[in-house]
Amino acid sequence: NAGVTQTPKFQVLKTGQSMTLQCAQDMNHNSMYWYRQDPGMGLRLIYYSASEGTTDKGEVPNGYNVSRLNKREFSLRLESAAPSQTSVYFCASSGGTGNSYNEQFFGPGTRLTVL
Amino acid sequence: QKEVEQNSGPLSVPEGAIASLNCTYSDRGSQSFFWYRQYSGKSPELIMSIYSNGDKEDGRFTAQLNKASQYVSLLIRDSQPSDSATYLCAVNKGSNYKLTFGKGTLLTVNP
Repeated sequence: NAGVTQTPKFQVLKTGQSMTLQCAQDMNHNSMYWYRQDPGMGLRLIYYSASEGTTDKGEVPNGYNVSRLNKREFSLRLESAAPSQTSVYFCASSGGTGNSYNEQFFGPGTRLTVL
Repeated sequence: QKEVEQNSGPLSVPEGAIASLNCTYSDRGSQSFFWYRQYSGKSPELIMSIYSNGDKEDGRFTAQLNKASQYVSLLIRDSQPSDSATYLCAVNKGSNYKLTFGKGTLLTVNP
């Protein structure tokens, strides 16, 4: 049981390049999330998917797009990377039973640098 | 007013002492409360969830919730150097799936 996996672990991009961050979970969770974490800013929600086939904007969606490929996979795309998108990106999932439905479990993160 | 507030710290305690971490939230409709531990360079790890007023204990960890005061805390008994990390408080408003995170409190446990 791998939990939440993310690829790649590290990435360096030049301004204007595009890339897709991949996330997969094997916990049969309905909901998945993308966060970015910056020093002094805490965790900020970029996009989320409450269930397969739906996606919604979070707090900081500008410059990003997402795809919920199936129940397991949720990808984040940067179409034209900017230095302001240098950050650590975390994917998370939730969907346990009862009260634990909203407990989110995080992947190991992707450290992205945009030059 | 920030939605979820935590003292950024650092909070420094000696090994074996009780570490007390505090969190306040602004939305009275909040229903679920979580504590995450994040080691430097790692991802957040869920350590406690609490949904009703009172105390919830799990090993050396106790979460306390007071909805009237909009306050949730985490006590770590017999603190160990391995407890040194940033502790994130997160709150769910109940009407959706999203969590709102505080910025975290850095805890240092000194041997």
